Amino acid sequence: QKEVEQDPGPLSVPEGAIVSLNCTYSNSAFQYFMWYRQYSRKGPELLMYTYSSGNKEDGRFTAQVDKSSKYISLFIRDSQPSDSATYLCAMTPPSGGSYIPTFGRGTSLIVHP
Amino acid sequence: DTGVSQDPRHKITKRGQNVTFRCDPISEHNRLYWYRQTLGQGPEFLTYFQNEAQLEKSRLLSDRFSAERPKGSFSTLEIQRTEQGDSAMYLCASSLTLEGGFTGELFFGEGSRLTVL
Repeated sequence: QKEVEQDPGPLSVPEGAIVSLNCTYSNSAFQYFMWYRQYSRKGPELLMYTYSSGNKEDGRFTAQVDKSSKYISLFIRDSQPSDSATYLCAMTPPSGGSYIPTFGRGTSLIVHP
Repeated sequence: DTGVSQDPRHKITKRGQNVTFRCDPISEHNRLYWYRQTLGQGPEFLTYFQNEAQLEKSRLLSDRFSAERPKGSFSTLEIQRTEQGDSAMYLCASSLTLEGGFTGELFFGEGSRLTVL
């Protein structure tokens, strides 16, 4: 079993829909939870991150962490065709030391006009 | 452009040949990472440097792989005696990581795609 599990999709939605992307994980030491976006033939870029449990909102994006269930989510409101990309969750233990982000396999999102 | 740059963007080689990739990180960043990504998978960690010191290597990094970061600036990743299973995107990332700070904000380059025939 991988440390981070993520459904690869693809997830196809109409423009304007609310999108829910999810990951589960097994390592209870993870404390930072990140969402990266990767467009085709490009490197990933960090969208947002949260520390420990709770919610964080940034514009149309909301990240949620439920540490008791080892489950994280990214919600995208009013989805746009430009949101079409692969969304990667990533996690690390607390700051310091040599902790390296561990990535999920990514979910491919397609937003059609 | 002051982002992470990687060269070459695409390399086609025959099995058994050696290849080398170069990464130029963002200039003030102290950490440099190498990841490998295959189709439909997320980035898999290979190795990382804190300044010029290579601090961690994944079990994925066989003896045929070697990475350097002389003087804590650019980095090279060399693969000797390439195999078809080495075909992948090799991603370089850098970060400015302060003691006790968040370690998860990596700035990635566009990757170097390796095709081994």
